Amino acid sequence: NAGVTQTPKFRVLKTGQSMTLLCAQDMNHEYMYWYRQDPGMGLRLIHYSVGEGTTAKGEVPDGYNVSRLKKQNFLLGLESAAPSQTSVYFCASRSEGGVYEQYFGPGTRLTVT
Amino acid sequence: GEDVEQSLFLSVREGDSSVINCTYTDSSSTYLYWYKQEPGAGLQLLTYIFSNMDMKQDQRLTVLLNKKDKHLSLRIADTQTGDSAIYFCAHEFLGGYNKLIFGAGTRLAVHP
Repeated sequence: NAGVTQTPKFRVLKTGQSMTLLCAQDMNHEYMYWYRQDPGMGLRLIHYSVGEGTTAKGEVPDGYNVSRLKKQNFLLGLESAAPSQTSVYFCASRSEGGVYEQYFGPGTRLTVT
Repeated sequence: GEDVEQSLFLSVREGDSSVINCTYTDSSSTYLYWYKQEPGAGLQLLTYIFSNMDMKQDQRLTVLLNKKDKHLSLRIADTQTGDSAIYFCAHEFLGGYNKLIFGAGTRLAVHP
């Protein structure tokens, strides 16, 4: 099993450009999450999904959109990138119930200039 | 996370014990967690403790939970250079979000 994979690993955008980050998991997990990680601030939840076809807002959803058309994929879109969106983005997934063991991808480092 | 506090940095000598501390405000979680992030990687679950336990030991790791003071600690015995990483304390948010609330992370540096 590959676990949770993310593409791309690195990206540099100019202000106003758009892009989509792809997250894929092969563990048949229902729940998927997008976080951003900024120095000294831990992880903040952007959006999450509790199943195929569902999405919901997290703590910091502004400027981002998501889609979960297939159970194994969770896409994060930036329609018009801003320098404040420079961050490391992590995708995670977990199965229902029990211990909240979230499985994380390796991250995408995004720089917006 | 706004209600999980951790110190940001800890430096220890190789072979010594490390103690990473965490305080939290929400006492409704069923479990509390420690995640580890190695350089350039995502987070990985290190260990967790059920909220009705005071202590959990797992090889070199000891988790202590003081529910009265809402204090969680992670002790790493015989700390090695491979333990250098960022350690995140986390608890569940049970308000319909199905998410974890993370602290800001403690960077552990192990020196010879």
